[in-house]
Amino acid sequence: DGGITQSPKYLFRKEGQNVTLSCEQNLNHDAMYWYRQDPGQGLRLIYYSQIVNDFQKGDIAEGYSVSREKKESFPLTVTSAQKNPTAFYLCASSLDGYNEQFFGPGTRLTVL
Amino acid sequence: AQKVTQAQTEISVVEKEDVTLDCVYETRDTTYYLFWYKQPPSGELVFLIRRNSFDEQNEISGRYSWNFQKSTSSFNFTITASQVVDSAVYFCALSEAGNTPLVFGKGTRLSVIA
Repeated sequence: DGGITQSPKYLFRKEGQNVTLSCEQNLNHDAMYWYRQDPGQGLRLIYYSQIVNDFQKGDIAEGYSVSREKKESFPLTVTSAQKNPTAFYLCASSLDGYNEQFFGPGTRLTVL
Repeated sequence: AQKVTQAQTEISVVEKEDVTLDCVYETRDTTYYLFWYKQPPSGELVFLIRRNSFDEQNEISGRYSWNFQKSTSSFNFTITASQVVDSAVYFCALSEAGNTPLVFGKGTRLSVIA
């Protein structure tokens, strides 16, 4: 089945540790995105990539890093520099920047 | 700068009632795209509709309908004969021409009570 997978579904991290969230798509989409959602809030863009080996910062990129070495993969690293990382993280992809985005099931990150 | 406003934070309706979710947008571009997404309790966003700025024709899909009015910069979403399964958070989003990422509104939480 074509779609977007995110793993793990739930993630716990100790303060001061880096953690990497996985996002994979087999839709052959060029563009991929990472969003953060806090309770009762909308989605805020962290990073996006429109093509392999290229990515741009979104509105809240500080404390996060990404890579796009393969078309189907766009991992997000939450670094210890992120002051308040506990949130729900959603990955999405689209054919290109003009088309609708399709979302993965999300990863809920909790910092202990 | 682009902006999406969903003024209704939460709405509660009784099953079988009709409900309209409001979305007002701001953009300086003449070419842009509008979207609606549904986020059920599971958390995954589900794409509902995409509309470009040159197509003001209203759209109906089953119990769902969308009213796009450029004169008021609005793209409202109506659910007819609501059902409990419609309970979710609904997001409106905007993308300007030029391959820019989506900007989302803060969402409207709809609760349909049996």
